[in-house]
Amino acid sequence: KAGVTQTPRYLIKTRGQQVTLSCSPISGHRSVSWYQQTPGQGLQFLFEYFSETQRNKGNFPGRFSGRQFSNSRSEMNVSTLELGDSALYLCASSPGRGRGEQYFGPGTRLTVT
Amino acid sequence: GEDVEQSLFLSVREGDSSVINCTYTDSSSTYLYWYKQEPGAGLQLLTYIFSNMDMKQDQRLTVLLNKKDKHLSLRIADTQTGDSAIYFCAEILVNQAGTALIFGKGTTLSVSS
Repeated sequence: KAGVTQTPRYLIKTRGQQVTLSCSPISGHRSVSWYQQTPGQGLQFLFEYFSETQRNKGNFPGRFSGRQFSNSRSEMNVSTLELGDSALYLCASSPGRGRGEQYFGPGTRLTVT
Repeated sequence: GEDVEQSLFLSVREGDSSVINCTYTDSSSTYLYWYKQEPGAGLQLLTYIFSNMDMKQDQRLTVLLNKKDKHLSLRIADTQTGDSAIYFCAEILVNQAGTALIFGKGTTLSVSS
């Protein structure tokens, strides 16, 4: 079974631009969550999606948004990029909400200049 | 608040056992996790334990859970140089808002030959 895939793997944007990141979960998994990893703050929860609905949101500004499609694929969007948004964005896939298995993709490395 | 604590560094010799410790905050967490992250990579799920278990063994990995003290440990037997990485402890929080993984800052394991 293929793992979690994320595209693109690397991205360079300038301040003020917007960006869309994509995540395809493991086949059959319906829950997708997003996390931001930075050297200073570590791993922080962004969103949780299940059945095309956002179920939970972390403490991030409204510039961060996301959605989930009927095939469970998910996208996250960051508008009006700031230098501090430079990070590794990780997507996690799980069969259902609160279930044991939480598998992560390789991440998208976003650099904002 | 929610805070998962881990020691930052551990250095061992090849062939020795490594023990990485973690304390978590929410006694109602149903699952607790150990992830491995190598440079430039995403998070690899090593193992997870359900909260009604005291111990879980998986090949060279042994997880011990002390619910009373909210203490989790990961023991790696016969540590190899390929085990050098950052290890993250995480707990899953489930509440009315949804679910989210809360991570520690990570323990950097250095294995010398």
